[in-house]
Amino acid sequence: QQQVKQSPQSLIVQKGGISIINCAYENTAFDYFPWYQQFPGKGPALLIAIRPDVSEKKEGRFTISFNKSAKQFSLHIMDSQPGDSATYFCAASMGFGNEKLTFGTGTRLTIIP
Amino acid sequence: DAGVTQSPTHLIKTRGQHVTLRCSPISGHKSVSWYQQVLGQGPQFIFQYYEKEERGRGNFPDRFSARQFPNYSSELNVNALLLGDSALYLCASSTLQGKPYEQYFGPGTRLTVT
Repeated sequence: QQQVKQSPQSLIVQKGGISIINCAYENTAFDYFPWYQQFPGKGPALLIAIRPDVSEKKEGRFTISFNKSAKQFSLHIMDSQPGDSATYFCAASMGFGNEKLTFGTGTRLTIIP
Repeated sequence: DAGVTQSPTHLIKTRGQHVTLRCSPISGHKSVSWYQQVLGQGPQFIFQYYEKEERGRGNFPDRFSARQFPNYSSELNVNALLLGDSALYLCASSTLQGKPYEQYFGPGTRLTVT
């Protein structure tokens, strides 16, 4: 049973535009929601994360929006750059004592000039 | 500071063989988790170890086993390899102190089973 659904599967955005990736979860016990960025041949790199007690978190050009009632969260990349071209994964875990990460299926983002 | 390191980088094995993958966590991190990432999919949780004790196990067969050593490094062992075990095996470490949720991944070991 897939517990974290991610969309879209692939996304093409023009340089300078806003990239938006969405995730939805089913398990209300999830307590921590990170986003990872992965380049080909590399391991996932932690980008930004949020807890359900806040609705938004911003770090530089990256913002997470969190809607607890809808059980949805999204990643916004402002002023997207060619170097942002990568695969992005959302994930969720139940928090301290159960740090197992459940990942979405990934979004391949391509930024075109 | 060095990040999570894994060895070997690449490995080719034949069906039925056994493989051992190794992971060294970030200095000061006491928790190590293993994930399997099949091409085109998100990582799937295999094991978590903390202070040498198994803390969690994913939905993988008993052919998969792991252990953690006193220096917090870890090994993942897979017996009786199947073609379907071909994947990128990722190790992640975390402190479980202060910011207990942040997990940092290594570059992975690419396992090919022929």
